[in-house]
Amino acid sequence: DAGVTQSPTHLIKTRGQQVTLRCSPKSGHDTVSWYQQALGQGPQFIFQYYEEEERQRGNFPDRFSGHQFPNYSSELNVNALLLGDSALYLCASSLAGRNQPQHFGDGTRLSIL
Amino acid sequence: QKEVEQDPGPLSVPEGAIVSLNCTYSNSAFQYFMWYRQYSRKGPELLMYTYSSGNKEDGRFTAQVDKSSKYISLFIRDSQPSDSATYLCAMKEVLTGGGNKLTFGTGTQLKVEL
Repeated sequence: DAGVTQSPTHLIKTRGQQVTLRCSPKSGHDTVSWYQQALGQGPQFIFQYYEEEERQRGNFPDRFSGHQFPNYSSELNVNALLLGDSALYLCASSLAGRNQPQHFGDGTRLSIL
Repeated sequence: QKEVEQDPGPLSVPEGAIVSLNCTYSNSAFQYFMWYRQYSRKGPELLMYTYSSGNKEDGRFTAQVDKSSKYISLFIRDSQPSDSATYLCAMKEVLTGGGNKLTFGTGTQLKVEL
């Protein structure tokens, strides 16, 4: 049973560029959340998708956008990249429901030059 | 003030020691409490997931929640070198309009030495 998978594992971009990160949830999960983890910090919530809609959003600018597909997979898009966007981007999946835990993938490490 | 406070360490203990990791929080809306383990270059792995105040045990791990004091702990018995990792506490808030989000501590770096 495959867990949460993310691609690519590592990406290098330059300031001002745009990037798309991808996530496939754990089998049977229908909810996807994205987090940004800076070096030495805990993950910060970006947004959550359910039924192909953004259900909740954290304190991130609208340069960060996402999408969820009918098969529950998801993309995170970041426009106009800044040096400060360098981080590990984590995807977590869960079943809808207040008491369901979130399970994480290994992330995409994004480096901005 | 951060919603979740966690001592970043590093914490170094000898093999076989009992490890105690702690977090405090300020947001009364947090309803679920988790501990994740994160190895270098990996994503967080769920260790413990609790809702109510009290203790929950799973093998060598015990999670403790005290909602009245807004304090959670993770105890690791008979620690092993393979337990060396960063331990993240996380709290879940169920949000208006549906959905939820996790708020994490900064993580405590643990090293178990032979």
